[in-house]
Amino acid sequence: EAQVTQNPRYLITVTGKKLTVTCSQNMNHEYMSWYRQDPGLGLRQIYYSMNVEVTDKGDVPEGYKVSRKEKRNFPLILESPSPNQTSLYFCASSPGQVTYEQYFGPGTRLTVT
Amino acid sequence: RKEVEQDPGPFNVPEGATVAFNCTYSNSASQSFFWYRQDCRKEPKLLMSVYSSGNEDGRFTAQLNRASQYISLLIRDSKLSDSATYLCVVSPRSGGSYIPTFGRGTSLIVHP
Repeated sequence: EAQVTQNPRYLITVTGKKLTVTCSQNMNHEYMSWYRQDPGLGLRQIYYSMNVEVTDKGDVPEGYKVSRKEKRNFPLILESPSPNQTSLYFCASSPGQVTYEQYFGPGTRLTVT
Repeated sequence: RKEVEQDPGPFNVPEGATVAFNCTYSNSASQSFFWYRQDCRKEPKLLMSVYSSGNEDGRFTAQLNRASQYISLLIRDSKLSDSATYLCVVSPRSGGSYIPTFGRGTSLIVHP
């Protein structure tokens, strides 16, 4: 089944404790991205990647890192999480660049206390 | 002016009604347009791509008006299961950008 998977789905952590949210797609898509969704603000892109070893900042990259060592994986790293990073995070992939539809993972609900 | 604007609603309609949403965008160079559906706190899922000639999929019709820079979604014969938030997406944000822009969504509630 073609899909985008994320882990963990739910995470409660404390300020400053490094964490990684994994994202994997099995559709051989080139484009992958991370979004956060907050009430009243909609989906905002954090980082995106157009291919292996190619990543770039989205709208809200501060406090996040990403890597794209393999085509299928695109982990999101929070080196020192803060409470303002409490949010719902979605990973997405697309067969092409930005003009194609995106397929979203199920989301990761992160709470930073 | 926001890059992509949607009326947040909620649109509260009875079953069987016809309802329409609009989404305006500011970048005249945008190439691709989509409608996504998002159920409460779940992942967005593609509903329709929006083509210049308009497109229809069952009860759903999407149209693009480049001159006035808006896209629309028409839902006929609304079902209870159509209750969701509808997000419009415009890509790219600006020339040379690879960032799609999401609207904040329009909430639809279909009641018996």
